[in-house]
Amino acid sequence: QQPVQSPQAVILREGEDAVINCSSSKALYSVHWYRQKHGEAPVFLMILLKGGEQKGHDKISASFNEKKQQSSLYLTASQLSYSGTYFCGTEYTSGTYKYIFGTGTRLKVLA
Amino acid sequence: NAGVTQTPKFQVLKTGQSMTLQCAQDMNHEYMSWYRQDPGMGLRLIHYSVGAGITDQGEVPNGYNVSRSTTEDFPLRLLSAAPSQTSVYFCASRLGGTPTDTQYFGPGTRLTVL
Repeated sequence: QQPVQSPQAVILREGEDAVINCSSSKALYSVHWYRQKHGEAPVFLMILLKGGEQKGHDKISASFNEKKQQSSLYLTASQLSYSGTYFCGTEYTSGTYKYIFGTGTRLKVLA
Repeated sequence: NAGVTQTPKFQVLKTGQSMTLQCAQDMNHEYMSWYRQDPGMGLRLIHYSVGAGITDQGEVPNGYNVSRSTTEDFPLRLLSAAPSQTSVYFCASRLGGTPTDTQYFGPGTRLTVL
């Protein structure tokens, strides 16, 4: 079952913050986050394993709430280069390599 | 390292034709997978492999076959192309073994079936 992402789209001004959520109806083992620019391949951002850890990558961080079966991606002080579509990829069982991707969130950062 | 490579970049087929999309990686990754992405949609898993000789079905396997005879290559075969298979196809690979390994995507193949 495909995880649901929210919001579907968001427009920001440079320097503003955004949160993208990825919710699953099934228990999650891991969550990957990717950014895809138009006409290009998805690029890996980070992975979180169950356990509620939070990870950071420059001004982009993410959390994983195992009980809520949800992960959130935090974009702080957004830059023009952050524009693109963000996808979460979920793995329900450890070691299967069977990722189910979310519906996607289109993010546009304006100058 | 070339990373994950895919050929061709573009392909037009007629309904009923068959073809093979090629995917190769030079990173000695154990795990490889194929996804399709329809316009405005997310990625859907077609087939995946956790090592040479081992493949399994993803979400949308019908109409596609795969095999993994070497670690480097993971071709995707369309048996009898249908317009519903018009999509962008991405191959991806991951080292495997460690849950936190990065997954790398190839540049994609844009397929149109008339």
